[in-house]
Amino acid sequence: KAGVTQTPRYLIKTRGQQVTLSCSPISGHRSVSWYQQTPGQGLQFLFEYFSETQRNKGNFPGRFSGRQFSNSRSEMNVSTLELGDSALYLCASSLGHSGEYNEQFFGPGTRLTVL
Amino acid sequence: QKEVEQNSGPLSVPEGAIASLNCTYSDRGSQSFFWYRQYSGKSPELIMFIYSNGDKEDGRFTAQLNKASQYVSLLIRDSQPSDSATYLCAVGSDYKLSFGAGTTVTVRA
Repeated sequence: KAGVTQTPRYLIKTRGQQVTLSCSPISGHRSVSWYQQTPGQGLQFLFEYFSETQRNKGNFPGRFSGRQFSNSRSEMNVSTLELGDSALYLCASSLGHSGEYNEQFFGPGTRLTVL
Repeated sequence: QKEVEQNSGPLSVPEGAIASLNCTYSDRGSQSFFWYRQYSGKSPELIMFIYSNGDKEDGRFTAQLNKASQYVSLLIRDSQPSDSATYLCAVGSDYKLSFGAGTTVTVRA
């Protein structure tokens, strides 16, 4: 069974631009969660989607948004990029709701660099 | 107070020894507990999960959970150089996982 896939793997943008990242979960998984990982802040939760509905959102500004499609694939968007948005963005999928009795599996991540 | 705290590390252990990693959490309503291993430049890899109080063993790994003390630990027995990585404790509640900062383990040959 294929794992979680994320595209693109690497991205370089400039301040003020926007970016869209994509995540395809493991086949059959209905929950997709997004995380931001930086050396200073560690792994921080962005949001969780289950059956196309956002179930929880972390403490990030409104510039960070996401959505989930009927096939469980998910996208996250960051508008008006800032230098501090440079990070590894990780997507994880699970059969059921994240945070409950469901194991969550991570994709390889998208490394975003904002210049 | 951080939601999930791990012993700061780095932790250096000789090959063949036991590595002991600790984690405490603040949300008493937390339901599920996970340990992930992350090699440098890679994404986190799930190595253990535990949902009930007590011990759970899987090969060289043992996870221990004490909900009353809000404490979860991971023991790595017979540590190998390939175990050198950062270990992340994750706690599940409210449709999200909260992660600790991680403990970096180095196994000395």
